[in-house]
Amino acid sequence: AQSVTQLDSQVPVFEEAPVELRCNYSSSVSVYLFWYVQYPNQGLQLLLKYLSGSTLVKGINGFEAEFNKSQTSFHLRKPSVHISDTAEYFCAVRGNTGGFKTIFGAGTRLFVKA
Amino acid sequence: ETGVTQTPRHLVMGMTNKKSLKCEQHLGHNAMYWYKQSAKKPLELMFVYNFKEQTENNSVPSRFSPECPNSSHLFLHLHTLQPEDSALYLCASSQEAGGSYNEQFFGPGTRLTVL
Repeated sequence: AQSVTQLDSQVPVFEEAPVELRCNYSSSVSVYLFWYVQYPNQGLQLLLKYLSGSTLVKGINGFEAEFNKSQTSFHLRKPSVHISDTAEYFCAVRGNTGGFKTIFGAGTRLFVKA
Repeated sequence: ETGVTQTPRHLVMGMTNKKSLKCEQHLGHNAMYWYKQSAKKPLELMFVYNFKEQTENNSVPSRFSPECPNSSHLFLHLHTLQPEDSALYLCASSQEAGGSYNEQFFGPGTRLTVL
């Protein structure tokens, strides 16, 4: 079955510092990858998605992610974070193993400090 | 209203109560989902409806009963719940459930507390 591992449960970082949130997935022939963000007391909002083509994907709020097929990774990055980026971030994968189900990772809590 | 809406946003209920959660999507989608989000646990898919038909039930206890009267509305009927059922219940929708690419749009959730 498809699986997603978010390697860090919490990432504290100072404002204006760069950040990387790590995501690895189990291999599948075809795979679609997503990052969602969840602000306090809200639902999940799509940040960015990889479907095909360029491996570097740009999303909203200055985030980007790189699809690395050989390492089965899809890490999320931002060069300079703001206090308002404090939220929970979820990596998700949709692959053709098991009938194209979307599997979510456990989430990474990004905490931006002043 | 736009996107996916959920009511109520907060619900406190006793173990003997019966209540319902409502979800409505205004996106013209054909698939709708219920997820349970508990603290420090991955998002758990509960039910999937595709064109009003239930296509997935992930071994959810019978005290949770979904209903999908049309492609725009999804309900989750609750009865005889347990304290461990306290969680954020998220509704989502997508164009359809079985395709290769399927972006899901989420509602804000209902925070349920079972006393």
